[in-house]
Amino acid sequence: GDSVTQMEGPVTLSEEAFLTINCTYTATGYPSLFWYVQYPGEGLQLLLKATKADDKGSNKGFEATYRKETTSFHLEKGSVQVSDSAVYFCALIGSNDYKLSFGAGTTVTVRA
Amino acid sequence: DAGITQSPRHKVTETGTPVTLRCHQTENHRYMYWYRQDPGHGLRLIHYSYGVKDTDKGEVSDGYSVSRSKTEDFLLTLESATSSQTSVYFCAIRATGEVETQYFGPGTRLLVL
Repeated sequence: GDSVTQMEGPVTLSEEAFLTINCTYTATGYPSLFWYVQYPGEGLQLLLKATKADDKGSNKGFEATYRKETTSFHLEKGSVQVSDSAVYFCALIGSNDYKLSFGAGTTVTVRA
Repeated sequence: DAGITQSPRHKVTETGTPVTLRCHQTENHRYMYWYRQDPGHGLRLIHYSYGVKDTDKGEVSDGYSVSRSKTEDFLLTLESATSSQTSVYFCAIRATGEVETQYFGPGTRLLVL
């Protein structure tokens, strides 16, 4: 079945550092890919998404590119802030599927 | 904000007691989902609904039942709570559009003693 593997955390960074969270997937067909973010004590918020190969999703300074050749959807941000401290989840939904498949989540802490 | 509320937001209960969690949406979405979140597992689907009285099982449905008698409400019931059901429970809706994206409620934190 479909699955998502993302890098294990926790990740600790200083403000203004570059952030990368790796995400790879296994799926048949052409899934849609998502990054969700969960701030402390809150629910999941959609951060960005991409629906086909070479699409780039972007939001709040975060970017991720749908790479079908490497089955990856890595999340990047050029200069993180303390407010970016959160848990980040990579997820996919297969074509003609009904449910999201999630990675285990990566906890990111940004220190001032 | 997809207009999703969950109640209660926090609950402590004892092993063996029944528990019902409620998800309420205000935007008439057809699809609704219940997930549980546990460390190291991300979110896992418990049950989902594709319309009033239309529900199906997810990957971790044992010990749970659901009901949907109105479009706006999706109930999750733990028939006899166990400690392994201590978790954070999230409801979600699916927004139909160019990309079928799911939006999540604020969650219910359940502790089974």
